[in-house]
Amino acid sequence: AQKVTQAQTEISVVEKEDVTLDCVYETRDTTYYLFWYKQPPSGELVFLIRRNSFDEQNEISGRYSWNFQKSTSSFNFTITASQVVDSAVYFCALSEATSYDKVIFGPGTSLSVIP
Amino acid sequence: GAVVSQHPSRVICKSGTSVKIECRSLDFQATTMFWYRQFPKQSLMLMATSNEGSKATYEQGVEKDKFLINHASLTLSTLTVTSAHPEDSSFYICSATDDRYNEQFFGPGTRLTVL
Repeated sequence: AQKVTQAQTEISVVEKEDVTLDCVYETRDTTYYLFWYKQPPSGELVFLIRRNSFDEQNEISGRYSWNFQKSTSSFNFTITASQVVDSAVYFCALSEATSYDKVIFGPGTSLSVIP
Repeated sequence: GAVVSQHPSRVICKSGTSVKIECRSLDFQATTMFWYRQFPKQSLMLMATSNEGSKATYEQGVEKDKFLINHASLTLSTLTVTSAHPEDSSFYICSATDDRYNEQFFGPGTRLTVL
């Protein structure tokens, strides 16, 4: 069965600090997709990244970076020089076989960036 | 990117009434749509998979007679909460798969409050 674990329920950091959100997943499939979404207080999900199981390259997008390690089944997300606007709930998610199959979400990590 | 809309964005109803929520893919056709429910401070939980022209597939524990799903066209799926009760109050989010690009897009969500 597929499962996504985000061990950090809540994190608080001071503005400009770096923060890493952890994500560990479980799946029996060899083909799967991993996602990160941001959910601000408005509730609308904001897509951040999709990564397939065959691409272990780390990715950087501005202040965001992702570290995918199949050996430890982890897909961690780092925000560099955090800003108040980064305050939100972040969900790691998993989809098996195809990226348009049902998405299983982790429990989420609530990030608060304090000015 | 592709756009998915939901209507209404917010609804308040009395206990015992039925509420219909629409999910539309605005600029693409979606063979498959998904319905999720999110209770306060919790993660998104998949309720059902909606396939155009066929019956929806419900996740374990979701009452199909209470949550009626109709996917009558390639751009529209509807979720009807029948005989709503206060415990059905939640944030309902749909997603739609753009078959052309193998990507799934989420709607902005509908906040249902049952008095």
